[in-house]
Amino acid sequence: AQTVTQSQPEMSVQEAETVTLSCTYDTSESDYYLFWYKQPPSRQMILVIRQEAYKQQNATENRFSVNFQKAAKSFSLKISDSQLGDAAMYFCAYTQTSGTYKYIFGTGTRLKVLA
Amino acid sequence: DADVTQTPRNRITKTGKRIMLECSQTKGHDRMYWYRQDPGLGLRLIYYSFDVKDINKGEISDGYSVSRQAQAKFSLSLESAIPNQTALYFCATSDSTKQGIMHFGAGTRLSVL
Repeated sequence: AQTVTQSQPEMSVQEAETVTLSCTYDTSESDYYLFWYKQPPSRQMILVIRQEAYKQQNATENRFSVNFQKAAKSFSLKISDSQLGDAAMYFCAYTQTSGTYKYIFGTGTRLKVLA
Repeated sequence: DADVTQTPRNRITKTGKRIMLECSQTKGHDRMYWYRQDPGLGLRLIYYSFDVKDINKGEISDGYSVSRQAQAKFSLSLESAIPNQTALYFCATSDSTKQGIMHFGAGTRLSVL
């Protein structure tokens, strides 16, 4: 069975600094998608970034980028130039590209941004 | 207007009561899901539906039932609510042709006393 693990329940970063959130996963599939979702205090789940497993190039979205290591089954999120609005719960998620399309979520990392 | 709408946004109920959480979407997606979020446990799948005639249990379906009334509507029922069903509930949708992206409603905060 597929699993997603986020080992950092909480992290802090100084405003304007860089922080990296960790995520590891386990699957026997070769083709799948990985995601980072952000949940601010409003509790709305917002897609931050998506990575397709068959692409070697790491995805980037403005200040957000990932380090995707397929062999190591690692998918970390780097937030550069952290802003107060980045404070939120961040969830790593996995779904395979065929079959049941069930999404598996990690337990989340709460990010605090210090002014 | 939100693409995925959940009602109610917050609800307090008593043990043993029947309660329904509703979800509607205007995205035209074929796939709909109900998740439950608990602190330290992330999001866990309750039920999912890939079209109107397709209903599937997720990892924590006991004590819940669902109905897919139309492609755009997917409701979650708690037949007899119990306190450990106190949680944040999310409805979500995805399109089988849109590369895996899931779209969430704003969530329903349910408290069972």
